[in-house]
Amino acid sequence: KAGVTQTPRYLIKTRGQQVTLSCSPISGHRSVSWYQQTPGQGLQFLFEYFSETQRNKGNFPGRFSGRQFSNSRSEMNVSTLELGDSALYLCASSFVGGGQSNTGELFFGEGSRLTVL
Amino acid sequence: GESVGLHLPTLSVQEGDNSIINCAYSNSASDYFIWYKQESGKGPQFIIDIRSNMDKRQGQRVTVLLNKTVKHLSLQIAATQPGDSAVYFCADLTKAAGNKLTFGGGTRVLVKP
Repeated sequence: KAGVTQTPRYLIKTRGQQVTLSCSPISGHRSVSWYQQTPGQGLQFLFEYFSETQRNKGNFPGRFSGRQFSNSRSEMNVSTLELGDSALYLCASSFVGGGQSNTGELFFGEGSRLTVL
Repeated sequence: GESVGLHLPTLSVQEGDNSIINCAYSNSASDYFIWYKQESGKGPQFIIDIRSNMDKRQGQRVTVLLNKTVKHLSLQIAATQPGDSAVYFCADLTKAAGNKLTFGGGTRVLVKP
């Protein structure tokens, strides 16, 4: 069974640009969540999608957005990039989502490392 | 848990010894507590979780202990191996909040041969 796939793995952007990251969850998983990982702030929750609906959102500005498609694949977008957006963006999927969740077993991808110059 | 910033606590352990990684949490309403392992260049990997109504759970070479009185969680790794070298994160999850994990700052484990 294929794991969580994130693309691209690495990318470099300049301030003011926008970026779109993609995540394909494990087949059959309907919940996809996104996390930002930086040395200074650690792992922080961005948002979660379940059945194409955003169920939860972390404390990030509106420049960070996402969506989920009918096949459960998800994308996140960051507009007007800032230097501080440089981070590893991680996607995680789980079989059960939202209020039905009964386990902490989320499966993470390898992440997309974004560098903003 | 809280982020400890750039300087992760580091635990150096001799190969074959037992490791104990500690974590403090703040949310009394959490339903699950989870340990993740992250190797360099990879995403976090689930190790073991424990429900909030339990105080101990064992897996293969790992044991998680939960002390709700002092809001403390620990991960014990038996007979630590070189492959256990990684950063370990504790996280908590509240069912009402969906799959939102709140992560601690992480502990780096270095296994000495």
